[in-house]
Amino acid sequence: DGGITQSPKYLFRKEGQNVTLSCEQNLNHDAMYWYRQDPGQGLRLIYYSQIVNDFQKGDIAEGYSVSREKKESFPLTVTSAQKNPTAFYLCASSIRGLSQPQHFGDGTRLSIL
Amino acid sequence: GQQLNQSPQSMFIQEGEDVSMNCTSSSIFNTWLWYKQDPGEGPVLLIALYKAGELTSNGRLTAQFGITRKDSFLNISASIPSDVGIYFCAGQNAGGTSYGKLTFGQGTILTVHP
Repeated sequence: DGGITQSPKYLFRKEGQNVTLSCEQNLNHDAMYWYRQDPGQGLRLIYYSQIVNDFQKGDIAEGYSVSREKKESFPLTVTSAQKNPTAFYLCASSIRGLSQPQHFGDGTRLSIL
Repeated sequence: GQQLNQSPQSMFIQEGEDVSMNCTSSSIFNTWLWYKQDPGEGPVLLIALYKAGELTSNGRLTAQFGITRKDSFLNISASIPSDVGIYFCAGQNAGGTSYGKLTFGQGTILTVHP
C-alpha cells in the first residue's frame, strides 16, 4: 500500500543528545514537510522540501535540521539546541503543484528522559 | 504571519446530533482543507475546497469555502461515536515563498455521547 511511514512511534531523548526521526513515503510525492504538534495547538511547520536536495525553514526551524538526499526520504534531526523538544512530530507529503493537499504519517512522539 | 481562528475549541454532543465548526482567517487562502485526527495518529484529509463559494460533501460531512476566501465551515450530520476526534481546518497558499504551505487552526475536539 502507498503511504507515509514514520519511525519510531515513540522516542526518548537524553539531555544534550541529538535524535533523528525517520519519514519515508512511497507515494512518489516531490514535496515533504515536518510539523510539530503540542497539546491544544494546531500544527506548526518546522521545515519543508519541494524537491530533492532543497529544503526551506518553516515557522519554528530553530533547533532542528533536515536533509533531502532522496525523493522518498526526509529525516528530521532534533538537536540539543532545541530546548523544549517534547512533542508529537508529524511528517507529510504532497504532489508538487498548486493547491495540492498534504497527506500525513502517523507521527512520532518524542519525550525527554 | 497568517493566523486561523477555529471555533469552537471543543464540543460535547449526543449521538445523532448535527455538528458545525468554522475557521476564519486574517488573510486570503487559495485552498481550504479539513482534517480529522484520532488520538496518537496523523491527520486524515476529509475534504478539500478549491474555489470561493464551493460547497462539497463527503458522506455525512459538508464543507464550504467562504465567498471572501477568509473563512470555511464544516458540518457533520447525524453524528455517530466514531466521529470522535480532533478536527482541523487548514488554509493553503500557492505561489511565492509560501508555496504549498499550510496554516492550521487550533482544532475542535469533538466528543459524542452514545
